[in-house]
Amino acid sequence: EPEVTQTPSHQVTQMGQEVILRCVPISNHLYFYWYRQILGQKVEFLVSFYNNEISEKSEIFDDQFSVERPDGSNFTLKIRSTKLEDSAMYFCASRVRGNSPLHFGNGTRLTVT
Amino acid sequence: DQQVKQNSPSLSVQEGRISILNCDYTNSMFDYFLWYKKYPAEGPTFLISISSIKDKNEDGRFTVFLNKSAKHLSLHIVPSQPGDSAVYFCAASLGGSNYQLIWGAGTKLIIKP
Repeated sequence: EPEVTQTPSHQVTQMGQEVILRCVPISNHLYFYWYRQILGQKVEFLVSFYNNEISEKSEIFDDQFSVERPDGSNFTLKIRSTKLEDSAMYFCASRVRGNSPLHFGNGTRLTVT
Repeated sequence: DQQVKQNSPSLSVQEGRISILNCDYTNSMFDYFLWYKKYPAEGPTFLISISSIKDKNEDGRFTVFLNKSAKHLSLHIVPSQPGDSAVYFCAASLGGSNYQLIWGAGTKLIIKP
């Protein structure tokens, strides 16, 4: 069964550094998402992306965050200058159409030191 | 802001018995509800969903019940199996083509042999 793949599985970075989290959504999916889960807290929506543009974003998704689908297969989340509080599991998700269930990747654990 | 609440952080059930996971919500505009299962070190996996126009949806061992007047939904797993041990997340959507999911905090289900 096709799946969403995320790399790396664990990323350690120093505060203030830029990180790029990578995702390869399922190939025929059209809607793409990033979520995060801080340890011990709820899964939180960050951003949704459709038709090569952001369609919705949360308050968490400020100017330090950006997303890109550079080549039609990858979907990346960039954090320009990481903060300690960005440490979390970041999940990429995709779905084929507007009301079908999300398929999630296994996540990237981001640790900011 | 806890629009979706799962009040039981954990639940322990004997193998073969019924597991009932509960979820309450506050926003009457939610029109679609989903249950996801999550194993450690993996992303959430879609389990079952229900539209607000229904009160029950069944898929094999899994049944979701929706009580709109009480703003309550539940997931029934019968019979429970050891592989069902996981964290179960309830999520709700406001609909539309994007719909960010609002997540509950999760309930850890432990199936005892």
